[in-house]
Amino acid sequence: SYELTQPPSVSVSPGQTVIIPCSGDGLGDQYVSWYQQKSGQSPVLVVYQDAKRPSGIPERFSGSNSGNTATLTISGTQAMDEADYYCQAWDTTTVLYGGGTKVTVL
Amino acid sequence: EGHLSESGGALVQPGGSLRLSCAASEFTFSNYAMNWVRQAPGQGLEWVSTLSGSGGRTYSADSVKGRFTISRDNSKNTLYLQMNSLRDEDTALYYCAKSRGGGDSTWYFDLWGRGTLVTVSS
Repeated sequence: SYELTQPPSVSVSPGQTVIIPCSGDGLGDQYVSWYQQKSGQSPVLVVYQDAKRPSGIPERFSGSNSGNTATLTISGTQAMDEADYYCQAWDTTTVLYGGGTKVTVL
Repeated sequence: EGHLSESGGALVQPGGSLRLSCAASEFTFSNYAMNWVRQAPGQGLEWVSTLSGSGGRTYSADSVKGRFTISRDNSKNTLYLQMNSLRDEDTALYYCAKSRGGGDSTWYFDLWGRGTLVTVSS
């Protein structure tokens, strides 16, 4: 079955850039979205259609998708960005999530 | 922007049934597809089911097909999930989520509730 793979965790210093990869066979041929989930809270859509940001999402969040890998980039990371991040794609009529990446801001 | 509020979660024995509800407000409910997504304790997100705005099209994960049924009442602005033949592995926090729009936007979930906890245990 189709799978999306993310690293379990990444760490970043405040003000630095963190890149979160999401890999899957031919993922570049599909649209990918990204969700942020802070501890004890519901998920929030931060990127959709590979690289678009919903209103209210800071510009420091950006996305790209090519080949077998989609990425979420957080530029100038802030302490408030510490959270779990999930990539999402769909295959015909099935929605898939990556396993999630915990971003720690040191 | 909108608001979603789930209810109906409970402790239920394996093989039992439960119906979850999701009350929507502050947006035109019938214009949007709606979804259920679950999260087992300490685990990641798992999509469960999607229902079109009119209620005419449904999509479900293989893990729940034949056991769970998604439905909606647009006159009451409410989404439902009927869960039958529950298993231990169905234990999770169940979120209701709104699709961003139609077409490809069906698959982007831009509004989430706080979730309702379902525990399946004897």
